[in-house]
Order: sequence, then C-alpha cells, then structure tokens
Amino acid sequence: KQEVTQIPAALSVPEGENLVLNCSFTDSAIYNLQWFRQDPGKGLTSLLLIQSSQREQTSGRLNASLDKSSGRSTLYIAASQPGDSATYLCAVNTHNQGGKLIFGQGTELSVKP
Amino acid sequence: KAGVTQTPRYLIKTRGQQVTLSCSPISGHRSVSWYQQTPGQGLQFLFEYFSETQRNKGNFPGRFSGRQFSNSRSEMNVSTLELGDSALYLCASSFERGAYNEQFFGPGTRLTVL
Repeated sequence: KQEVTQIPAALSVPEGENLVLNCSFTDSAIYNLQWFRQDPGKGLTSLLLIQSSQREQTSGRLNASLDKSSGRSTLYIAASQPGDSATYLCAVNTHNQGGKLIFGQGTELSVKP
Repeated sequence: KAGVTQTPRYLIKTRGQQVTLSCSPISGHRSVSWYQQTPGQGLQFLFEYFSETQRNKGNFPGRFSGRQFSNSRSEMNVSTLELGDSALYLCASSFERGAYNEQFFGPGTRLTVL
C-alpha cells in the first residue's frame, strides 16, 4: 500500500531564506508526483508536476526533484517571501490513467517578514 | 480558460439528511476526481470518473456515490449524513496525457453536519 510522508509538519523561516520541503513515498512504482499549495480554507493550487521519467522541474523560484528509486522528492523554494506562507502538499499518482492521487499530510510553511 | 468550479461553496446539513455537490471541470477535461479533506485524515480519494464511467474508487462506504454527465460535469452524493462527514470536499479535473496528467483542483465545498 502506497504511503506518502512529508517532513517537517511545520516550518517557520525568516523572509529571504532558501528552504527545502521533503516528501517520501513507500512504493517507487509511480507515474508522476505533483506538488500543491493550499491556503487556509481554500482549494489546492498545482505548483509542479514531475513525470516518473524526469529528475526535476522548475517554475520561477520553485524547483522540485524526484528520486524514484529512493522514494523521495524535494521542493526547493528560493528567496522565500511572506506570500509563500501556506501548506505545501505532495501527491503521487500510481495509475497510468486517472486522477487517483495519494497525498502526504503536508508541511505548513510560515515565512516571517 | 475558467478553472474548476464547485457549487455550493458552503453547506450545513443535519445528521440523516442527504447532500449533492456539483463540480464543473476545466473545458476539455474529461476526468473528474473527488477528494475528502479533514484535519485528522488529510486528503483522501473518493472516486474518479472518466467519460461518464467510474474508473477508480477509494475506500469509502456506499453512502458516498457519484456520477458524471456527458458534458463532463460531475456530482457526488452523500446519503444518511453522519457527523464525521463534515469536511472540505474537493474535486479535480485533468486532461488525459499519460504520465503528464496534471490535476487541477476547485475551491471546494465546505460541508458541516450538525
């Protein structure tokens, strides 16, 4: 059974710091991994999707990496800003068709001005 | 392009009642998935529909059901509501592209069961 774990559960950093969020999964048979951001009481915003054949994806100040063999992914946020404060979720898709995502519990990020 | 929309945004029901939630996917997306989010269990997959057929199903009781229409809009229904059904219900849509199958989520429906 696929399980997804995110460490740490919460993180507080000063503005401008670079930071790394971690995601691990137990079964390496995934088709893709997606990182999301969720603001309190809101839906999920897709940040990055990494296909199983890829090692990393970049979008602006965000860089996500994937090491399928070790069951790990990281989300790197450069030069953090207070507006980055949110909960970050990673999810793996183990189906080659369809949207059955298995989510981690998330990392709650707070960036202090 | 308009994003995923969900209606209603908020609902208050009492135990034993039933509820229907609606989701309109991004234009051109044929896959719609539903998730339940609670503080204790996090995000859990309910089911997924593609071309009006249920393609995947999570581990929820039969009180949770859904359907998809020919225009890809989807509804989910919860019968005989229980207090534990209070949650944020999220739907997601995607345009099938093999391993590049990015899911886009709506704002959710907040259901409170009293």
